[in-house]
Order: sequence, then C-alpha cells, then structure tokens
Amino acid sequence: DTGVSQDPRHKITKRGQNVTFRCDPISEHNRLYWYRQTLGQGPEFLTYFQNEAQLEKSRLLSDRFSAERPKGSFSTLEIQRTEQGDSAMYLCASSLVLWGGVLTFGAGSRLTVL
Amino acid sequence: DAKTTQPPSMDCAEGRAANLPCNHSTISGNEYVYWYRQIHSQGPQYIIHGLKNNETNEMASLIITEDRKSSTLILPHATLRDTAVYYCIVRATYGNKLVFGAGTILRVKS
Repeated sequence: DTGVSQDPRHKITKRGQNVTFRCDPISEHNRLYWYRQTLGQGPEFLTYFQNEAQLEKSRLLSDRFSAERPKGSFSTLEIQRTEQGDSAMYLCASSLVLWGGVLTFGAGSRLTVL
Repeated sequence: DAKTTQPPSMDCAEGRAANLPCNHSTISGNEYVYWYRQIHSQGPQYIIHGLKNNETNEMASLIITEDRKSSTLILPHATLRDTAVYYCIVRATYGNKLVFGAGTILRVKS
C-alpha cells in the first residue's frame, strides 16, 4: 500500500471554472476526510465519510462544494464556479474507525484560482 | 473537543532535546491528546497520542501532567529534518474529526 494518494497535485484554473480533486485512501481504511489549508494556517475540516456515508460537513463547505465517496473507496471533491478565495491546499486523509484519531494524510492538491 | 494552546514558535539546537508544550486545561476524561507535525509542503504526519499515561514511540515521547491539563512532546535528539509545524489536538474517544489549531513552528538550527 502506497498510502493516501491525491490527484492532481497542482491545479491552476480561472475564476468561474469547475475543478475536481480525487483521493485514494489506504484500502482498509473506512473513514475518509477532506481538509483545506491556506498559507500560515492549520488544516480546516471540510467533511468526512464513513464508508460511503457522508457523516459531517463543515459550515465552510458552501453549496459550491460537493464531495462523494461512491462504494466507500476513493473520494472526489468538486468545487463549482471557483473563486479566488478557494485558492488553498486541499488535503485528504483516511483512518480506521477504531483508531479514528490516527489519520494518514496525503500530500495534498494545491489549487490556484486566477 | 477541548481547545489547546501552543506557543507560536520555538528554536532548538540540533542534537538537543526539543520540548514542545501544550495547554489543554478544559480537557475531559474521555479526551485523548494527539500530536501531529507538518513539514513544509507535505500533509500532516501523526506522531503520538495518549490519554493519561506517558507514551513513547520511535518518533517521540509524550508526557501528560497528572491533572491532564497540559502535555509536552519531546523529540529526544532533534535533527534539521524535525523542522516543522507541530500540532497538539484534543479529541474525544469516539469523536469524529481532528480540529487543528495554528500549532508551533519548531526551527532546529545547526
């Protein structure tokens, strides 16, 4: 197992365009998390899944953001009509429910909105 | 989950022990203390966690005071590669997410 994979690692887009990020968690992990991080700040929680169920969404997650985890495996995070304020690092992490505080993070997907 | 307070930055000489403090005065009985670190341009990395006993692993030691209101992460022989942001997080046993604060920037200097 190669850990948590995120794709793409970098994305530059123009304001108003849609972008999608993919996360492949550690295969036996049933929890998957999305965080957002801006420069100089700690990661901010966005949402998490347990298997295919989305159990919590942060108020940070506006209507332009949607996340899915079909079949409880990989997950996608889509941002519609991107704004410059969406520029950030989007981090994915996974864990076992039993060890829910021990998260394995991916390297992140950096989004730049021009 | 209880809130934590950490110093914004610390310096440490290479080869010396780095002691990173964390206050969590409102911690409750079922809440664990977790430590993560984030090296520049990488995702956060789990280091260690504990409930009330001191813990040690290959990366670090975690010392939790008897009243559990504070803890210290110890890197016994800091190297330049330990330069990172260190996050102290409190999370309930059956909590759902980790809430990160601003952390402590540790600079290890030669």
